[in-house]
Amino acid sequence: DAKTTQPTSMDCAEGRAANLPCNHSTISGNEYVYWYRQIHSQGPQYIIHGLKNNETNEMASLIITEDRKSSTLILPHATLRDTAVYYCIVQIYNFNKFYFGSGTKLNVKP
Amino acid sequence: GAVVSQHPSWVICKSGTSVKIECRSLDFQATTMFWYRQFPKQSLMLMATSNEGSKATYEQGVEKDKFLINHASLTLSTLTVTSAHPEDSSFYICSARDDGTSGISGRTYNEQFFGPGTRLTVL
Repeated sequence: DAKTTQPTSMDCAEGRAANLPCNHSTISGNEYVYWYRQIHSQGPQYIIHGLKNNETNEMASLIITEDRKSSTLILPHATLRDTAVYYCIVQIYNFNKFYFGSGTKLNVKP
Repeated sequence: GAVVSQHPSWVICKSGTSVKIECRSLDFQATTMFWYRQFPKQSLMLMATSNEGSKATYEQGVEKDKFLINHASLTLSTLTVTSAHPEDSSFYICSARDDGTSGISGRTYNEQFFGPGTRLTVL
């Protein structure tokens, strides 16, 4: 069962930063936070993952609170192509058995 | 990133027939693959874990005799929907976990990659 809660939808203006929150208050010490996104009628695409330190890659930044009970995915300059459903998943690294929650539908508007 | 393919990308079949969906890892070996189902406007639901050389393990509530899984090689898993009915119409997505034996630099061991999905419509 999914162990995360996310807002159902969010809007973001094109060119602005999109900040997507995720609550995972029951996360265990050995569980990572993964973020994937799914553009309509496609398979999920990996974005980023982290354990407790903040992470950044070419797509996004992941900010994890010190108590690890919540995190925020940041898309620094959202484009129309970033419109998708974003999923936050917690799972033991290498376990890979993902239970998806309902995700957040991000609408990037011109 | 790694490439996982699915075939067919879409299929329409008559009620009562069986449909086979293939999932292939194209540039890495995958001892473990996963099958998901997604109904319209809903999230992905894990159906089963496919293991090369052994039986698949199914999630609670998923009928193993209806959704047959065969992990024939380290790069291929198939899902067969037997005696399909309209309620089986859905988007089926597979994922594959990189075993780390490909020798491709920069590849993260045990990373999971998703296929593009197969749209099944049962009439």
